[in-house]
Amino acid sequence: DTGVSQDPRHKITKRGQNVTFRCDPISEHNRLYWYRQTLGQGPEFLTYFQNEAQLEKSRLLSDRFSAERPKGSFSTLEIQRTEQGDSAMYLCASSLGQSDQPQHFGDGTRLSIL
Amino acid sequence: AQSVAQPEDQVNVAEGNPLTVKCTYSVSGNPYLFWYVQYPNRGLQFLLKYITGDNLVKGSYGFEAEFNKSQTSFHLKKPSALVSDSALYFCAVRAPSGSARQLTFGSGTQLTVLP
Repeated sequence: DTGVSQDPRHKITKRGQNVTFRCDPISEHNRLYWYRQTLGQGPEFLTYFQNEAQLEKSRLLSDRFSAERPKGSFSTLEIQRTEQGDSAMYLCASSLGQSDQPQHFGDGTRLSIL
Repeated sequence: AQSVAQPEDQVNVAEGNPLTVKCTYSVSGNPYLFWYVQYPNRGLQFLLKYITGDNLVKGSYGFEAEFNKSQTSFHLKKPSALVSDSALYFCAVRAPSGSARQLTFGSGTQLTVLP
């Protein structure tokens, strides 16, 4: 399968714990995006990378959220000290570098906070 | 700031009938517009895009969309609906340049095609 891969698909954790999600983009895509989707809503942009550079992170929901893409390939999204309101689907997408190129999405990681 | 409105939360149509899912947008400059479809517990799947040129764009699975600049609309259409088209549809907009490179999505329209 050459699509965007996300791991894990589901994560259940207790409030206050840290969680980390992984995204493997389509191999030739140099842009990688993270979104959050809550029930009944469209995806909400969080951050994006061009290769290993994080070019936009002001939309990260709080300082508890951070993302990395150390070698310009896979990326991780970490949420520290999780809260009930963090329960959502976290989606990763990747694209080629031109702005007119569509983003291709993974199947997401569903986070449930107990 | 850019935004997308999908005025209908739910659209029901009989199989074989034409379908339309509505979208209006607001963005500075000429927009890049996209339609995505989402099946339960899955990510979004790209259907089609408008960047420039012909106002009628064709995409996957027989879907098409019409760009109307004066009405700032980008409605999704299909001449003959299938039961398998039942899913959640999202319209998205992106500014062509500047810092707002990310996609802004509408809240989605649930399409149900009745057999």
